[in-house]
Amino acid sequence: AQSVAQPEDQVNVAEGNPLTVKCTYSVSGNPYLFWYVQYPNRGLQFLLKYITGDNLVKGSYGFEAEFNKSQTSFHLKKPSALVSDSALYFCAVSHSGGYQKVTFGTGTKLQVIP
Amino acid sequence: GAVVSQHPSRVICKSGTSVKIECRSLDFQATTMFWYRQFPKKSLMLMATSNEGSKATYEQGVEKDKFLINHASLTLSTLTVTSAHPEDSSFYICSASRDPRADTQYFGPGTRLTVL
Repeated sequence: AQSVAQPEDQVNVAEGNPLTVKCTYSVSGNPYLFWYVQYPNRGLQFLLKYITGDNLVKGSYGFEAEFNKSQTSFHLKKPSALVSDSALYFCAVSHSGGYQKVTFGTGTKLQVIP
Repeated sequence: GAVVSQHPSRVICKSGTSVKIECRSLDFQATTMFWYRQFPKKSLMLMATSNEGSKATYEQGVEKDKFLINHASLTLSTLTVTSAHPEDSSFYICSASRDPRADTQYFGPGTRLTVL
Protein backbone atom coordinates (compact mmCIF):
# COMPACT_ATOMS: atom_id res chain seq x y z
CA ALA A 1 0.00 0.00 0.00
CA GLN A 2 1.14 3.51 -0.71
CA SER A 3 0.72 6.50 1.55
CA VAL A 4 1.54 10.15 1.88
CA ALA A 5 2.11 12.11 5.07
CA GLN A 6 1.84 15.84 5.37
CA PRO A 7 2.78 16.36 9.00
CA GLU A 8 1.68 19.97 9.28
CA ASP A 9 -2.00 20.92 9.14
CA GLN A 10 -1.02 24.56 8.75
CA VAL A 11 2.10 26.52 7.95
CA ASN A 12 2.36 30.25 8.62
CA VAL A 13 5.02 32.34 6.93
CA ALA A 14 5.62 36.04 6.55
CA GLU A 15 5.36 37.53 3.10
CA GLY A 16 8.77 37.60 1.43
CA ASN A 17 10.18 34.79 3.53
CA PRO A 18 11.00 31.36 2.15
CA LEU A 19 8.38 28.69 2.65
CA THR A 20 8.51 24.92 2.97
CA VAL A 21 5.58 22.52 3.00
CA LYS A 22 6.61 19.03 4.04
CA CYS A 23 5.67 15.73 2.46
CA THR A 24 6.92 12.20 3.01
CA TYR A 25 5.75 9.14 1.17
CA SER A 26 5.74 5.39 1.25
CA VAL A 27 5.47 3.34 -1.93
CA SER A 28 6.84 0.15 -3.40
CA GLY A 29 8.80 0.72 -6.53
CA ASN A 30 9.77 4.03 -8.03
CA PRO A 31 7.52 6.86 -6.92
CA TYR A 32 5.67 9.37 -9.01
CA LEU A 33 5.20 12.46 -6.86
CA PHE A 34 2.90 15.44 -7.34
CA TRP A 35 2.01 18.72 -5.69
CA TYR A 36 -1.37 20.36 -6.16
CA VAL A 37 -2.82 23.58 -4.79
CA GLN A 38 -6.46 24.21 -3.96
CA TYR A 39 -8.05 27.61 -3.47
CA PRO A 40 -11.34 27.88 -1.51
CA ASN A 41 -14.29 26.17 -3.21
CA ARG A 42 -12.17 25.29 -6.21
CA GLY A 43 -10.70 22.16 -7.72
CA LEU A 44 -7.03 21.29 -7.51
CA GLN A 45 -4.43 22.93 -9.69
CA PHE A 46 -1.32 21.05 -10.72
CA LEU A 47 1.93 22.63 -9.51
CA LEU A 48 4.67 20.15 -10.34
CA LYS A 49 5.63 16.50 -10.52
CA TYR A 50 8.61 14.23 -10.21
CA ILE A 51 8.81 11.17 -12.39
CA THR A 52 12.51 10.73 -12.99
CA GLY A 53 15.62 12.80 -13.59
CA ASP A 54 16.79 15.78 -11.56
CA ASN A 55 15.83 15.64 -7.93
CA LEU A 56 14.96 19.34 -7.93
CA VAL A 57 11.75 19.94 -9.83
CA LYS A 58 10.59 23.39 -10.79
CA GLY A 59 6.91 24.10 -11.22
CA SER A 60 4.30 26.78 -11.58
CA TYR A 61 4.22 30.13 -9.75
CA GLY A 62 7.86 29.88 -8.63
CA PHE A 63 7.39 26.71 -6.62
CA GLU A 64 9.91 23.88 -6.58
CA ALA A 65 10.23 20.57 -4.82
CA GLU A 66 13.14 18.35 -3.98
CA PHE A 67 12.93 14.60 -4.25
CA ASN A 68 14.99 12.89 -1.56
CA LYS A 69 14.98 9.15 -1.99
CA SER A 70 16.86 8.32 1.21
CA GLN A 71 14.46 10.37 3.33
CA THR A 72 11.44 9.47 1.17
CA SER A 73 10.51 13.13 1.10
CA PHE A 74 9.25 15.56 -1.50
CA HIS A 75 9.04 18.93 0.25
CA LEU A 76 7.54 21.89 -1.56
CA LYS A 77 9.50 25.13 -1.44
CA LYS A 78 9.43 28.70 -2.61
CA PRO A 79 12.17 31.28 -2.02
CA SER A 80 9.85 34.21 -1.34
CA ALA A 81 6.24 33.76 -0.28
CA LEU A 82 3.39 35.89 -1.60
CA VAL A 83 0.08 36.56 0.14
CA SER A 84 -1.59 35.07 -2.93
CA ASP A 85 0.16 31.77 -2.20
CA SER A 86 -2.19 31.26 0.74
CA ALA A 87 -4.12 28.09 -0.07
CA LEU A 88 -4.39 24.38 0.66
CA TYR A 89 -1.54 22.25 -0.69
CA PHE A 90 -1.74 18.55 -1.40
CA CYS A 91 1.10 16.14 -1.96
CA ALA A 92 0.30 12.96 -3.90
CA VAL A 93 2.05 9.73 -4.88
CA SER A 94 1.63 6.86 -7.26
CA HIS A 95 4.21 4.45 -8.57
CA SER A 96 5.68 3.17 -11.77
CA GLY A 97 4.91 -0.15 -13.29
CA GLY A 98 1.45 0.13 -14.70
CA TYR A 99 -1.69 1.83 -13.61
CA GLN A 100 -2.03 2.67 -9.97
CA LYS A 101 -4.28 5.16 -8.34
CA VAL A 102 -2.88 8.34 -6.93
CA THR A 103 -2.95 8.70 -3.16
CA PHE A 104 -3.29 12.18 -1.73
CA GLY A 105 -2.02 13.53 1.56
CA THR A 106 -4.34 15.24 4.00
CA GLY A 107 -3.33 18.68 2.88
CA THR A 108 -1.45 21.58 4.46
CA LYS A 109 -2.97 25.00 4.74
CA LEU A 110 -0.44 27.67 3.92
CA GLN A 111 -1.08 31.10 5.38
CA VAL A 112 1.17 33.91 4.17
CA ILE A 113 1.02 36.87 6.51
CA PRO A 114 1.39 40.36 5.01
CA GLY B 1 -3.97 23.25 -22.20
CA ALA B 2 -5.40 20.47 -20.03
CA VAL B 3 -8.57 22.19 -18.92
CA VAL B 4 -11.32 20.26 -17.20
CA SER B 5 -14.75 21.68 -16.58
CA GLN B 6 -17.56 20.58 -14.30
CA HIS B 7 -21.20 21.42 -14.44
CA PRO B 8 -22.99 22.52 -12.38
CA SER B 9 -20.68 24.33 -9.99
CA ARG B 10 -23.25 24.05 -7.23
CA VAL B 11 -26.58 22.36 -6.88
CA ILE B 12 -29.20 22.22 -4.18
CA CYS B 13 -31.74 19.43 -4.32
CA LYS B 14 -34.41 17.81 -2.22
CA SER B 15 -33.86 14.52 -0.48
CA GLY B 16 -34.81 11.60 -2.70
CA THR B 17 -34.07 13.24 -6.01
CA SER B 18 -31.21 12.42 -8.36
CA VAL B 19 -28.49 14.81 -9.43
CA LYS B 20 -26.20 14.52 -12.44
CA ILE B 21 -22.76 16.13 -12.52
CA GLU B 22 -20.83 16.44 -15.77
CA CYS B 23 -17.07 16.41 -16.18
CA ARG B 24 -15.52 17.42 -19.47
CA SER B 25 -11.94 17.59 -20.69
CA LEU B 26 -12.01 20.61 -22.96
CA ASP B 27 -8.77 20.44 -24.86
CA PHE B 28 -7.54 16.87 -24.60
CA GLN B 29 -8.83 13.34 -24.78
CA ALA B 30 -9.02 11.70 -21.41
CA THR B 31 -8.58 7.97 -21.41
CA THR B 32 -9.37 7.93 -17.74
CA MET B 33 -11.45 10.12 -15.48
CA PHE B 34 -11.60 10.02 -11.72
CA TRP B 35 -14.31 11.07 -9.30
CA TYR B 36 -13.42 12.30 -5.84
CA ARG B 37 -15.36 13.42 -2.85
CA GLN B 38 -13.93 16.00 -0.48
CA PHE B 39 -15.24 16.60 3.01
CA PRO B 40 -14.54 19.88 4.83
CA LYS B 41 -10.90 20.20 5.79
CA LYS B 42 -10.22 16.70 4.54
CA SER B 43 -8.27 15.20 1.73
CA LEU B 44 -9.78 13.85 -1.42
CA MET B 45 -11.41 10.46 -1.28
CA LEU B 46 -11.30 8.59 -4.56
CA MET B 47 -14.75 7.25 -5.34
CA ALA B 48 -14.24 5.63 -8.70
CA THR B 49 -12.14 5.45 -11.83
CA SER B 50 -13.79 5.42 -15.21
CA ASN B 51 -12.33 4.47 -18.55
CA GLU B 52 -14.07 5.44 -21.75
CA GLY B 53 -16.36 2.73 -22.98
CA SER B 54 -16.09 0.47 -19.97
CA LYS B 55 -17.61 0.14 -16.55
CA ALA B 56 -16.25 2.27 -13.76
CA THR B 57 -14.09 0.78 -11.05
CA TYR B 58 -15.40 1.74 -7.64
CA GLU B 59 -13.36 2.06 -4.48
CA GLN B 60 -14.22 -0.07 -1.52
CA GLY B 61 -17.17 1.27 0.39
CA VAL B 62 -18.60 3.32 -2.49
CA GLU B 63 -22.05 2.19 -3.55
CA LYS B 64 -22.10 1.74 -7.30
CA ASP B 65 -25.88 1.77 -7.45
CA LYS B 66 -26.00 5.09 -5.66
CA PHE B 67 -23.18 6.80 -7.52
CA LEU B 68 -23.67 5.99 -11.17
CA ILE B 69 -20.76 6.81 -13.42
CA ASN B 70 -20.87 6.91 -17.19
CA HIS B 71 -17.87 7.65 -19.39
CA ALA B 72 -19.58 8.06 -22.72
CA SER B 73 -16.72 9.58 -24.66
CA LEU B 74 -13.09 10.53 -24.36
CA THR B 75 -14.11 13.99 -23.19
CA LEU B 76 -17.15 13.40 -21.00
CA SER B 77 -17.87 11.53 -17.80
CA THR B 78 -20.97 11.91 -15.66
CA LEU B 79 -21.65 11.15 -12.02
CA THR B 80 -25.27 10.69 -11.00
CA VAL B 81 -26.11 10.70 -7.32
CA THR B 82 -29.32 8.71 -7.12
CA SER B 83 -31.90 9.17 -4.40
CA ALA B 84 -29.75 11.76 -2.72
CA HIS B 85 -29.82 12.20 1.04
CA PRO B 86 -28.38 14.94 3.26
CA GLU B 87 -25.34 12.81 4.05
CA ASP B 88 -24.46 12.92 0.34
CA SER B 89 -23.91 16.66 0.63
CA SER B 90 -20.28 17.26 -0.24
CA PHE B 91 -17.83 18.73 -2.70
CA TYR B 92 -17.41 16.44 -5.69
CA ILE B 93 -14.36 16.85 -7.87
CA CYS B 94 -13.48 15.10 -11.10
CA SER B 95 -10.12 14.78 -12.74
CA ALA B 96 -8.95 13.58 -16.12
CA SER B 97 -5.78 11.98 -17.30
CA ARG B 98 -4.36 11.22 -20.70
CA ASP B 99 -2.51 8.23 -19.34
CA PRO B 100 -3.30 6.95 -15.85
CA ARG B 101 0.02 5.19 -15.48
CA ALA B 102 2.15 8.23 -15.11
CA ASP B 103 0.44 11.34 -16.30
CA THR B 104 -0.73 14.24 -14.25
CA GLN B 105 -4.37 14.36 -13.27
CA TYR B 106 -6.07 17.62 -14.25
CA PHE B 107 -8.88 18.61 -11.97
CA GLY B 108 -12.23 20.19 -12.56
CA PRO B 109 -13.35 23.11 -10.40
CA GLY B 110 -15.65 20.93 -8.32
CA THR B 111 -19.37 20.75 -7.67
CA ARG B 112 -20.88 21.66 -4.33
CA LEU B 113 -23.89 19.42 -3.70
CA THR B 114 -26.32 20.30 -0.94
CA VAL B 115 -29.17 17.91 -0.24
CA LEU B 116 -31.98 19.35 1.84
